[in-house]
Formats: sequence, C-alpha cells, structure tokens
Amino acid sequence: DTAVSQTPKYLVTQMGNDKSIKCEQNLGHDTMYWYKQDSKKFLKIMFSYNNKELIINETVPNRFSPKSPDKAHLNLHINSLELGDSAVYFCASSQMITMDEAFFGQGTRLTVV
Amino acid sequence: GQNIDQPTEMTATEGAIVQINCTYQTSGFNGLFWYQQHAGEAPTFLSYNVLDGLEEKGRFSSFLSRSKGYSYLLLKELQMKDSASYLCAATGGDSWGKLQFGAGTQVVVTP
Repeated sequence: DTAVSQTPKYLVTQMGNDKSIKCEQNLGHDTMYWYKQDSKKFLKIMFSYNNKELIINETVPNRFSPKSPDKAHLNLHINSLELGDSAVYFCASSQMITMDEAFFGQGTRLTVV
Repeated sequence: GQNIDQPTEMTATEGAIVQINCTYQTSGFNGLFWYQQHAGEAPTFLSYNVLDGLEEKGRFSSFLSRSKGYSYLLLKELQMKDSASYLCAATGGDSWGKLQFGAGTQVVVTP
C-alpha cells in the first residue's frame, strides 16, 4: 500500500486552464503539506494543513487553492495556469507538524504550455 | 527568514566516505533533517537531529551543532546507488509548520 499517493503523476496543460492535483495519505497523520520543486530542484513549502486547518500559506498566489475535505486528503486546485507554474509538486504528510519524519508522495510533474 | 547553505555538488568514488556540510541561520531553531532524493523520485527521510552530537544509522551518520548552526551528513562505504541529491532542512521558529530546505547537494559516486 502506498503511504502518500498523489494523482496525476504527469499533467500537461495549456496556459489559462484550471487543474487539480489530488493527494491522499493512509498513515493516519494529522499534518499534510504541498511543496513545489522548480527546475533548479529547490524544494519550497507552499501550504501546511493540520487536522484539515490551514497552518501555513507561504505567500503563494491566490490562484492556488488547497482543500482538505478530511485529514487524509489534501488537494491542490490551480486556476488560470501560467508558464511559471511548471514544476514538480509534492504532497507530504507527518504525524506532528515538522517534529518528525515527513513522507512524500511520488510528485506531480506539471507542464504548462 | 532563514538561510540554509550546502554545497551544490560533490563527487567521490565507490567505497569512499563523503561528508556533506550544511549551515543554517534561524531564530527559534528546533531541529535539522536530512533527506535523500534520487532523480525523478520523491525525497525520502534519512535522519533528524534535535540535540547536539552524532546520530549513526548504518552507513549514514548525521551530526548537529546548535551553537554553530552547523550539521553534516556522513556517507560511508559509498555505493553507486548513493548517487542522489541530499537535502538539508531546518524546522522551528521562522520555519515552524514547515521544512525549510536547502538547495540540495548532488552526490556523484564514480566506479
């Protein structure tokens, strides 16, 4: 069983479209995150959620809207996609907020053309 | 804000030892993580240091000095499969609620 799973793995779309990435964890963790890894491989936090509540919003454009229907799911919706949004997006989860090991999903490679 | 610095790339031969240094500047620092990331894959956890000193886990060891804002990851008996990016990440204080990653150190293991 995959601990943190995100779909899709690859996403190619045109500028201006709206897309969603889904994430689910079966570890029973309270905290989930979205990270963005750019072309220079720099991994940067976007959002942290704890028990479905937003804890961290790291100056991400409001075109990005995370949604956590329950503590096992954290989806990312992106409106009006731009070329600069092309990156790999990683979902992750941990039992406590960054006090212990975070488990990462396989990543979603988003390409905006 | 928080600065985390680590070398961009290191090369070593199979069987050798490599030490990856990481320095950080943060207020309210809590702990220091090391993650390994192979190309095209997700980061995977290697170690977490909260207290000063050395933590050993098989071929990998991690060291932390809180007073110096310094950590290192030591990889012993290098294997080809150790070729990957190694990410240093700090938590706490300015980075409460998140992992603040460095840019990663690409380790290349040669035969």
